[in-house]
Amino acid sequence: ETGVTQTPRHLVMGMTNKKSLKCEQHLGHNAMYWYKQSAKKPLELMFVYSLEERVENNSVPSRFSPECPNSSHLFLHLHTLQPEDSALYLCASSQGRARSPLHFGNGTRLTVT
Amino acid sequence: GQQLNQSPQSMFIQEGEDVSMNCTSSSIFNTWLWYKQDPGEGPVLLIALYKAGELTSNGRLTAQFGITRKDSFLNISASIPSDVGIYFCAGLTGANSKLTFGKGITLSVRP
Repeated sequence: ETGVTQTPRHLVMGMTNKKSLKCEQHLGHNAMYWYKQSAKKPLELMFVYSLEERVENNSVPSRFSPECPNSSHLFLHLHTLQPEDSALYLCASSQGRARSPLHFGNGTRLTVT
Repeated sequence: GQQLNQSPQSMFIQEGEDVSMNCTSSSIFNTWLWYKQDPGEGPVLLIALYKAGELTSNGRLTAQFGITRKDSFLNISASIPSDVGIYFCAGLTGANSKLTFGKGITLSVRP
């Protein structure tokens, strides 16, 4: 496989559930990102990991918890979400952060009921 | 914070037509990127621009980094049905700055 792979593609969860989103990149990049995409809004950066260290947390509620065990894998652990958290969650990777374009996965479409 | 303005929100063109999309800001950017997102997929990088005045082509796509560093445009020539999708501009203001995205323009191509 090449590129950035996200699983699952679709997820429906209740507000009391706990679930995790997974991202894997096969590009040899050393920075990984979580973005939230909601309708008619710009992409919102949630978290950035560089060399497996979290370097940015964009005031995201604690019900979203990222984990980066190595430079190829990124997780987003979800618990007690709200309906307004329903969105497309995109993972991306880049080689370094300076002026390096992001390569995105196909996203997980999350619906919170 | 920085904002990138893309308008209109939607564009409708006939197959074979050319189309131009602008991205503007009140802030200066030193990198401009154009992405396309197909339905059900993630954004894919089309063109990256790193120097003011730079004009870069990728097949039927041409993008330019505005000389003021506050804008960029993307042209699609001889549109085809598979050009349908959402086109995002994105910009970086500095070496370690956050990538700022526009809201995107949804392009529809009538056969």
